[in-house]
Amino acid sequence: DAGVIQSPRHEVTEMGQEVTLRCKPISGHDYLFWYRQTMMRGLELLIYFNNNVPIDDSGMPEDRFSAKMPNASFSTLKIQPSEPRDSAVYFCASSHPAGAEETQYFGPGTRLLVL
Amino acid sequence: AQRVTQPEKLLSVFKGAPVELKCNYSYSGSPELFWYVQYSRQRLQLLLRHISRESIKGFTADLNKGETSFHLKKPFAQEEDSAMYYCALIVSGAGSYQLTFGKGTKLSVIP
Repeated sequence: DAGVIQSPRHEVTEMGQEVTLRCKPISGHDYLFWYRQTMMRGLELLIYFNNNVPIDDSGMPEDRFSAKMPNASFSTLKIQPSEPRDSAVYFCASSHPAGAEETQYFGPGTRLLVL
Repeated sequence: AQRVTQPEKLLSVFKGAPVELKCNYSYSGSPELFWYVQYSRQRLQLLLRHISRESIKGFTADLNKGETSFHLKKPFAQEEDSAMYYCALIVSGAGSYQLTFGKGTKLSVIP
């Protein structure tokens, strides 16, 4: 298995543009997580899905952020419109099952820079 | 709400010296604690979890409920230990799941 796959690896865009980050979890994993990493706030959990259903999106910073999981092998995190303060590294992770004994496997991250 | 505190943003030690990365948490129940590590240009990966009481790459961490701490320790630091280390607290059960990370500590091992 190639592990969790994220694309693009790097994204540079201008303020106001729509940004879409993509994630392919490990096959068979039924939990998917989106994280954001910044120098100021460290690593934050944005949202997670169980069996393609969003369970907790309380970490999503604003309505400009949205996440979907149309099927078990694909998820997107969208920012519309993007702002410079959204610049960060966004990680996707998957696990099976979630809970105290789970191990989350992280993707390589997408480094986003909003100018 | 639970909270994880890593008081040191940067920790520099000499090779061969002991290392202790501090992690304190606040949670009223029984916590499940983890340490994650991110080496330069690599993915974030699980280093160890308190329930398994493993020793990974020479690192250990003991949960101290009295002090609400889960410090990561290694007796002799190696250059390859230089990385970002994140302490994490997971609260799960009854269909809910919450994971809280500390802000991370960058460990720099000086040759």
